[in-house]
Amino acid sequence: DAGVIQSPRHEVTEMGQEVTLRCKPISGHDYLFWYRQTMMRGLELLIYFNNNVPIDDSGMPEDRFSAKMPNASFSTLKIQPSEPRDSAVYFCASSHRVDYGYTFGSGTRLTVV
Amino acid sequence: GNSVTQMEGPVTLSEEAFLTINCTYTATGYPSLFWYVQYPGEGLQLLLKATKADDKGSNKGFEATYRKETTSFHLEKGSVQVSDSAVYFCALSDIKLIWGLGTSLAVNP
Repeated sequence: DAGVIQSPRHEVTEMGQEVTLRCKPISGHDYLFWYRQTMMRGLELLIYFNNNVPIDDSGMPEDRFSAKMPNASFSTLKIQPSEPRDSAVYFCASSHRVDYGYTFGSGTRLTVV
Repeated sequence: GNSVTQMEGPVTLSEEAFLTINCTYTATGYPSLFWYVQYPGEGLQLLLKATKADDKGSNKGFEATYRKETTSFHLEKGSVQVSDSAVYFCALSDIKLIWGLGTSLAVNP
């Protein structure tokens, strides 16, 4: 089991550019979560999916953010256009059942300059 | 709604000291409770969990007991090491995990 795989590990981009973050959950996990972590705001849930369907996107900061899960083994989080305040570490996590806990990926550190 | 409150940090200890990080919760029903650890530059890792009242979760010398009467799930370790320096998060299961704000621990040699 390779765990939750995120790519890229680091991303540096210029303001206004499109950024796409990728996540491969653990096989068999029905839930997928996208989180953002900053020093100021801590850990924030952006969106989560169950069986590839978005269930709660109330944490998505604004329309510049979008997330998709086209199949059970892949999800993307897209920011277009990116802004410096989007700089953060973005984590993906997956779970078979919420009461079993989550498995997190190693995160993508995004820097928008 | 359900919520988790954990003690504010940072907590600074000397090696081999006893550690307690307090966590209390508010919940309807019988959620599972978790402690996660985040080492510098890494993602969150599940440290231990408990699924029902009076259960004790344990891992790597850390322990926490699910106390329904005090709605608490305090994290303890008898003798901390420098390698335990990290941020510790308490969480409970609802439709999704409800997180505490995290407690930073620094252990000095």
